[in-house]
Amino acid sequence: AQSVSQHNHHVILSEAASLELGCNYSYGGTVNLFWYVQYPGQHLQLLLKYFSGDPLVKGIKGFEAEFIKSKFSFNLRKPSVQWSDTAEYFCAELRRDTGRRALTFGSGTRLQVQP
Amino acid sequence: EADIYQTPRYLVIGTGKKITLECSQTMGHDKMYWYQQDPGMELHLIHYSYGVNSTEKGDLSSESTVSRIRTEHFPLTLESARPSHTSQYLCASSGGMAEAFFGQGTRLTVV
Repeated sequence: AQSVSQHNHHVILSEAASLELGCNYSYGGTVNLFWYVQYPGQHLQLLLKYFSGDPLVKGIKGFEAEFIKSKFSFNLRKPSVQWSDTAEYFCAELRRDTGRRALTFGSGTRLQVQP
Repeated sequence: EADIYQTPRYLVIGTGKKITLECSQTMGHDKMYWYQQDPGMELHLIHYSYGVNSTEKGDLSSESTVSRIRTEHFPLTLESARPSHTSQYLCASSGGMAEAFFGQGTRLTVV
């Protein structure tokens, strides 16, 4: 089973619509969680990250995500999307209490925003 | 601004050729990674390094090899390229338990 699951593979929205992309992880220990974005032709960039503390984290470009430990979820949200948000979005985890120090990524969600 | 560089960006090469994909970072990060990503698919970890002279295989079996002789440099080599190696290869680095920073990637096509 995938350790990081993104159930929405392709999402199409109109500008100004609200966005929520799902991310679930399976590891029961301590994790750092991330959302990355890959704009067409560009490299992966960090949108936001959760390490500890306030479960609602705010990132760049108006994105936010909420860590819900009981649901093993870290969903990405944006109240009003823009055409420029068209991109591929990846959720990732880093297991802090294991010897592994590499990110594990979900399969990604392709977001298409129509003007 | 510190950065992570990959060369070449695009490479088309014949079957059986030896190739090396370069990756360098100027951030002084101890950890470096290679991921493989097919179009529209997830990233698969193929190699990682926690420091000089440290290399480990990742989750996805790969015929490539890596070396880490210098902190800033983490090249990936394919001794004999095959069409099945056609993919995008992403290099990343990180420090401590922080996020990873990614290069632009190398899109490899083996014909």
